[in-house]
Amino acid sequence: DVKVTQSSRYLVKRTGEKVFLECVQDMDHENMFWYRQDPGLGLRLIYFSYDVKMKEKGDIPEGYSVSREKKERFSLILESASTNQTSMYLCASSLAGTVYEQYFGPGTRLTVT
Amino acid sequence: ILNVEQSPQSLHVQEGDSTNFTCSFPSSNFYALHWYRWETAKSPEALFVMTLNGDEKKKGRISATLNTKEGYSYLYIKGSQPEDSATYLCASSPEKTSYDKVIFGPGTSLSVIP
Repeated sequence: DVKVTQSSRYLVKRTGEKVFLECVQDMDHENMFWYRQDPGLGLRLIYFSYDVKMKEKGDIPEGYSVSREKKERFSLILESASTNQTSMYLCASSLAGTVYEQYFGPGTRLTVT
Repeated sequence: ILNVEQSPQSLHVQEGDSTNFTCSFPSSNFYALHWYRWETAKSPEALFVMTLNGDEKKKGRISATLNTKEGYSYLYIKGSQPEDSATYLCASSPEKTSYDKVIFGPGTSLSVIP
């Protein structure tokens, strides 16, 4: 079974802090994704990576950066957390190609106070 | 940005009822359509991925159809059970993007009342 794990289920941070969200997948997938989910808006893509050290901006990259130094690990970084980044963050992975399903982690609920 | 819409936003049905909901996507720019089920406190899980017009897929009591010419997909649940309560997400991927882009709709929240 594919497993996608995220470093924390719940996180509370203060405005201005630098925040790291980690995601690890164990199926040798090429693609990894970071989404945020807000009520009524569905999953919105923040960043995508299709290979080690390769990344593409998604629809809402502002205020975020990412790092993929190893194939199995994809990190999302909030350089200076703000209250409008309070959200549920989901990581996913897939084989290369959009005909392949995405496998999701359990999510991290981040609250920025 | 590609717009993927889902209706209804939420649905309450009695146990045993059959139900269906809709996903709409731009038919002019389509490559694949995904359905996911997202239960509370769990991760979204893939139900189906469809690419061909007229495709129909089935998993137990759940089935889905795809009409790429008019830009919609239906998800059907036959004889709903309480364990079917979840948010159902659809996602469409357009052709000709620089990466494997998948756009999610806002979801349909289903509650099955015992």
